Amino acid sequence: EADIYQTPRYLVIGTGKKITLECSQTMGHDKMYWYQQDPGMELHLIHYSYGVNSTEKGDLSSESTVSRIRTEHFPLTLESARPSHTSQYLCASSEFDSLWGYTFGSGTRLTVV
Amino acid sequence: KQEVTQIPAALSVPEGENLVLNCSFTDSAIYNLQWFRQDPGKGLTSLLLIQSSQREQTSGRLNASLDKSSGRSTLYIAASQPGDSATYLCAVVRGYGKLTFGQGTILTVHP
Repeated sequence: EADIYQTPRYLVIGTGKKITLECSQTMGHDKMYWYQQDPGMELHLIHYSYGVNSTEKGDLSSESTVSRIRTEHFPLTLESARPSHTSQYLCASSEFDSLWGYTFGSGTRLTVV
Repeated sequence: KQEVTQIPAALSVPEGENLVLNCSFTDSAIYNLQWFRQDPGKGLTSLLLIQSSQREQTSGRLNASLDKSSGRSTLYIAASQPGDSATYLCAVVRGYGKLTFGQGTILTVHP
């Protein structure tokens, strides 16, 4: 079944730890995205990728980094987590300049204590 | 800079009512517009996508319209049900498939 998977769903971690949020899609989409959503707020684009070995910063500045070594995999890394990074992170994919719309993962809710 | 506004911020209706959610955007240079549904603690589910050349799209009890020149879209939900309770998000698609979201309308349909 075509889908997009994010792990973990929930993560509580201490300040200063390195974390990687996983995102994988089975649809072969060329474009992938990370959006950040603070509680009660709108989603903001923080990273996107056109394809393998392509990554770009989004609209909202983020201390996180991303990589795209394989088409299906788009992980997000925080080298040193801080309480200000507490948020929900949503991964998405699309193809053909979004003529076919988007598919979103279920999200990772990150809490940094 | 593209800005997307959704009105109302919250809406509570009895079951069976027809309702309209509004979305406006400041820059008409969009590829398409998409409506999503978000349930608490979960990801987004795509409801309808309207390409920039289209005026409306329908799926079941949902109908979305787009007036690109005036920067407006509406989502019409017919015969609302308690299962429709969720946050509804409007998003416009810019270059490279990037989405700009509104803040959403929180819909509660009570039995």
